[in-house]
Amino acid sequence: NAGVTQTPKFRILKIGQSMTLQCTQDMNHNYMYWYRQDPGMGLKLIYYSVGAGITDKGEVPNGYNVSRSTTEDFPLRLELAAPSQTSVYFCASTQKEGATEAFFGQGTRLTVV
Amino acid sequence: GENVEQHPSTLSVQEGDSAVIKCTYSDSASNYFPWYKQELGKGPQLIIDIRSNVGEKKDQRIAVTLNKTAKHFSLHITETQPEDSAVYFCAASRTNAGKSTFGDGTTLTVKP
Repeated sequence: NAGVTQTPKFRILKIGQSMTLQCTQDMNHNYMYWYRQDPGMGLKLIYYSVGAGITDKGEVPNGYNVSRSTTEDFPLRLELAAPSQTSVYFCASTQKEGATEAFFGQGTRLTVV
Repeated sequence: GENVEQHPSTLSVQEGDSAVIKCTYSDSASNYFPWYKQELGKGPQLIIDIRSNVGEKKDQRIAVTLNKTAKHFSLHITETQPEDSAVYFCAASRTNAGKSTFGDGTTLTVKP
């Protein structure tokens, strides 16, 4: 199994550009999450989804959008990129709601200049 | 909502020494406490977890203890090795919560 796969691994964006970070999992997990990790900091939840067609905001949703049209895919959209969105982004999935292991992707390192 | 505090933020030990990382949580309903290890350039990976009906759990050189009354849990690594150098995150969640709350991480450096 590939687990959780994120693309791209690295990306440089100019201020005002937009992009989509892709995330797909092959474990048939219902629950998926997007986190950002700033240098030397912990993981901040951006958005999460408890199943196809259902999404909800996390701690830091401003400037981002998500969709969940299938169980496997949970893309994160950045509109009008800003330097404050420079970070490493992690996608994760869990089998059950809460109280269970999270499986993380390898991360996407995004720089906005 | 849940709040998780993790200490220390950095920890440096000599190879062979023990390392202890502590976390406190605020939501008494939390019942699952995982620890993740993040190596450079990679995503976090689960190394050990504990549920609220257990006070201690061991896996070779790694152990986790939970004190529900005080609402804190700790990661213990014995006989540390250079390959233990990484960032460690604690987290807390509860059944039907939909999401976990993570601590800010501890950067562990094991000096050979």
